[in-house]
This record gives sequence, C-alpha cells and structure tokens, in this order.
Amino acid sequence: GQQLNQSPQSMFIQEGEDVSMNCTSSSIFNTWLWYKQDPGEGPVLLIALYKAGELTSNGRLTAQFGITRKDSFLNISASIPSDVGIYFCASLGETSGSRLTFGEGTQLTVNP
Amino acid sequence: EAGVAQSPRYKIIEKRQSVAFWCNPISGHATLYWYQQILGQGPKLLIQFQNNGVVDDSQLPKDRFSAERLKGVDSTLKIQPAKLEDSAVYLCASSFGQGAEAFFGQGTRLTVV
Repeated sequence: GQQLNQSPQSMFIQEGEDVSMNCTSSSIFNTWLWYKQDPGEGPVLLIALYKAGELTSNGRLTAQFGITRKDSFLNISASIPSDVGIYFCASLGETSGSRLTFGEGTQLTVNP
Repeated sequence: EAGVAQSPRYKIIEKRQSVAFWCNPISGHATLYWYQQILGQGPKLLIQFQNNGVVDDSQLPKDRFSAERLKGVDSTLKIQPAKLEDSAVYLCASSFGQGAEAFFGQGTRLTVV
C-alpha cells in the first residue's frame, strides 16, 4: 500500500530560524497536502498542491510538489513560538477513490 | 462556514463495552473520512464514504468496528466490543469530493480502561 516517509521526526530550533521538512514515497501521487496539528485538536490544512513542480506559499510557509510526483517539502521561514506543533504531509494517489494517506509527522519545537 | 463537528470530545469506557462517535461534515461535502490516530502516530484511515456509499474500508477492523452514513450527511462510527488498544483519537474529516482538500474535526479522544 501507499506509505509516506516523513523527516525529520522532530526538530528543535530557535525562534527566527528557518525550518525544512519533507515527505517521500515510492508511489506517485496526484495531490500533496500539508497539515499542522496542535495538542488536543484535529489537523488543520496549511497548503494543498495539485501539480508536479508546483510551488505554493501561505504566509511564511512554502511547499513544493516534487517533479517526480513522489515527494514534497514544506519550509517555514522566520519561525515563531506559535509554529510549535506536529506537521503532517498527506497524499492522494492516482486512482479514483484512492486513500488519503498521512506521514508519521514532524514534531517542531521553537525555543524563544 | 461551519467546520466539521464531532461529538463527544472525550470518552472513557471499560474494555468490552461499546461506544459510538458522531460526525457532521461541512455542508455540501460528499466525501467523509474516519481516521484513527494513536498517540505519536499519523492518522490512519478507517473508512471513507462517498455520499452514503463506502469507497474504502480495507483498514477497518470489521469484527468490532462499524460505520454508517445513511443519508449521505452525518455519520456514526461504532466500536463493539472495545479493546484496550482502541484507545486513540478518532478524527472525522470531509471534502467536497474525492481528490479534494480534506478538513478535520477536533476529534474524539477515547480511553479504554
């Protein structure tokens, strides 16, 4: 089945630093989604990507859909304490009705 | 626009008891998902509905879990009987259609003791 490898598993950074995380797979996908989850809450959609090579920004967040359609990355620039949380990638495959599969998450800690 | 509504937020039950969760998706969203999220892991799909039909339930433990979406809107997920390993957050999500962005509710945290 589809499996996403998300890295790193956790990151500890200083406020103001930039952050990069990525997801890879051996499968080809049509859609990449990036979510953030705060404790006790459901995942909140940050960015959606629908085309290979697509680069999309949402404020300080930038995400790209890899050219091979097997990977994606998320960058956060000038991190702030409220960026703390777990970031998940999720993807949809090529076939109709394919499963929305999640990575295992990147736990981000920002030290003020 | 109202988001995905789930209830209850928290539930504690003893093993072998039954429990049900309710989800009301975003209005107009045809696709509804139930996910199980064990602490420290990513959400795992249990079942996906398109309107009131099941698209994918390959990862649903059908001996104890069941779900329905009778009128293509609200959905319920039931566990009977519950096991200790069912302790997790159960997340409901909805999307306009298959392949579209999915939006999540706050989840129900289930503790089985």
